[in-house]
Amino acid sequence: GAGVSQSPSNKVTEKGKDVELRCDPISGHTALYWYRQSLGQGLEFLIYFQGNSAPDKSGLPSDRFSAERTGGSVSTLTIQRTQQEDSAVYLCASSPRQGFNSPLHFGNGTRLTVT
Amino acid sequence: DAKTTQPTSMDCAEGRAANLPCNHSTISGNEYVYWYRQIHSQGPQYIIHGLKNNETNEMASLIITEDRKSSTLILPHATLRDTAVYYCIVRGMDSNYQLIWGAGTKLIIKP
Repeated sequence: GAGVSQSPSNKVTEKGKDVELRCDPISGHTALYWYRQSLGQGLEFLIYFQGNSAPDKSGLPSDRFSAERTGGSVSTLTIQRTQQEDSAVYLCASSPRQGFNSPLHFGNGTRLTVT
Repeated sequence: DAKTTQPTSMDCAEGRAANLPCNHSTISGNEYVYWYRQIHSQGPQYIIHGLKNNETNEMASLIITEDRKSSTLILPHATLRDTAVYYCIVRGMDSNYQLIWGAGTKLIIKP
């Protein structure tokens, strides 16, 4: 069974460029999360999708960040006008259902480097 | 701020049981205790979770104190591949679904 798949695994971009990061969740999982992890740090929540409900965007650090989830499956995180402080590993996770008794399953992340 | 505190690092001999403690003294009644681990350059891997009762699966055991203010993750026979950062987090209505992660415990398994 396939796990959560993220692409690209690595992305190097110049400051000011836009980037798109993709997440393919586990099939049938209704909940999808984006986090980012800076070097040596814990995970920072970015955004949460649950089914057809409006996403919780409360963790997005600025209006340069946005995310979509099309058809309740694949999600794309977009960062516009990238800055050096955006450099981090961006992690996607999915969960089979809503609720706190449902574990998150993570992908291996996209390492973003802004030069 | 993270709702859990863990030691920064621990060592364990290969083949022995690794016992990783976690304090979560402000845990609410509806919050679950989750354990994840992260091996370098990989995403976090789910290990186990529980609410009140002790839990066991193929990877580990989770012992939660009766007052639920602390817990211990037990890897019964540690191998070199268990070297990783282990995260204890609480998750429930009060913490919403944002999963506030602390810095974790760096567990080093020594041959």
